[in-house]
Amino acid sequence: EPEVTQTPSHQVTQMGQEVILRCVPISNHLYFYWYRQILGQKVEFLVSFYNNEISEKSEIFDDQFSVERPDGSNFTLKIRSTKLEDSAMYFCASRDRGGLNEQFFGPGTRLTVL
Amino acid sequence: AQSVTQPDIHITVSEGASLELRCNYSYGATPYLFWYVQSPGQGLQLLLKYFSGDTLVQGIKGFEAEFKRSQSSFNLRKPSVHWSDAAEYFCAVGLYSGGGADGLTFGKGTHLIIQP
Repeated sequence: EPEVTQTPSHQVTQMGQEVILRCVPISNHLYFYWYRQILGQKVEFLVSFYNNEISEKSEIFDDQFSVERPDGSNFTLKIRSTKLEDSAMYFCASRDRGGLNEQFFGPGTRLTVL
Repeated sequence: AQSVTQPDIHITVSEGASLELRCNYSYGATPYLFWYVQSPGQGLQLLLKYFSGDTLVQGIKGFEAEFKRSQSSFNLRKPSVHWSDAAEYFCAVGLYSGGGADGLTFGKGTHLIIQP
C-alpha cells in the first residue's frame, strides 16, 4: 500500500540554524500539507500546497517557514532560523484530487532545537 | 473559525469492555469529520471519516462513529476493546472548498488506556 515517507525521523539542531524536513507524498496525490505537534499538545496545521503554490497557511507559518516541491516527488519544509519553540514532531500529509480531504499522514520527523 | 473539543484527556477501559470517545465541533455548516489514531512513536492513521449520508460510519479495527447534527458531535465507539487499542485518538474537522486544499483542525486528543 502506498504511503507517505519522511526523512529524517529525528533531527537535532542548534538554535538559529536552518533545517530542511523532507517528505515524499503518495505518488498520484496533488495536495500536500505540513502539520506540527508540540510534545503533549494537539496536532496543528501549518500549510497546504497545491499546483506549486501555497493554498492556505496558519498563523504559525510565519516568514521563518517555507515550503517547496523541488522535483516531482519531494515536498520540503524549511525553517530558516530555528527557535527553541520549534521543537516538535512535524507531519507531512497528502491527498489526491478526489479524496475530499482524506489526508494520509507520514510517520513524522521529530525536531529538537537545542 | 472551526474548533474541535475532545472533553476527555484520558480514558481507562478494561479489555473487552465497550468504549466511547467524545468529540464536539463548532462550525456554521457541516464539516467533514475524521477520527485518527496515533500509537506511541507513530504517525496518524485514519480510522474513519464522515462526509455525508448515513450518519453511522464504520471504520477500520472495529471502530464506528455516529454523526449527530443536533448535538454537533461525532463520537467514536467500539463494542469491545483490545489491549492493542491503547493509543492517542484525535478527532478532526476539515472543509472542502472545490479544488482547493484545506488544513484539518484537530482536537487535543484522548489518551486511551486499556486495563487487563
